[in-house]
Amino acid sequence: DAEITQSPRHKITETGRQVTLACHQTWNHNNMFWYRQDLGHGLRLIHYSYGVQDTNKGEVSDGYSVSRSNTEDLPLTLESAASSQTSVYFCASSEVVGTEAFFGQGTRLTVV
Amino acid sequence: GIQVEQSPPDLILQEGANSTLRCNFSDSVNNLQWFHQNPWGQLINLFYIPSGTKQNGRLSATTVATERYSLLYISSSQTTDSGVYFCAVGSLLNDYKLSFGAGTTVTVRA
Repeated sequence: DAEITQSPRHKITETGRQVTLACHQTWNHNNMFWYRQDLGHGLRLIHYSYGVQDTNKGEVSDGYSVSRSNTEDLPLTLESAASSQTSVYFCASSEVVGTEAFFGQGTRLTVV
Repeated sequence: GIQVEQSPPDLILQEGANSTLRCNFSDSVNNLQWFHQNPWGQLINLFYIPSGTKQNGRLSATTVATERYSLLYISSSQTTDSGVYFCAVGSLLNDYKLSFGAGTTVTVRA
């Protein structure tokens, strides 16, 4: 079955380190998204992509970057991890704009 | 961006009870989804419902796009219905990005 997978599921890293979270989908969806979920803030959009080589900033993009070199993957990089980036990160994809989005299992990141 | 408000913020139910969750949004939308986040943190798709009514087992949803609200109905609730229910909307005006409400936390007691 087609799916969307995130790795790792859990990660602990130190302040200042570069961290990359992986997101891979096998639906051949054009659109991919990264969200973070924090208590009191719900899910907030970090970055999104509507196709290969397309990337766009969301509402909380500072300190994060993404690149889209193929349809299947949208890795999220924290350039220099900060304690404020401790969160649960979700990746999502949808076939075309405005259609149903599906989420991965989430990655719990702790920055110490 | 689009504002999404969900009510009530918390709901405690006895097993077998029925309930209604509400989602209000501030602008016209092209996409509206309801999700259930289970106690393990997974986001489960319930409905893709930018307009109209859909049913899936004990759950149903109605979106009245012209009045900018959606309702999620849970009938004969079970303990497995516990978790957080999110409404998320997307619009051409917001580049189709999904904006989430704060969620309704549902606790079903046996």
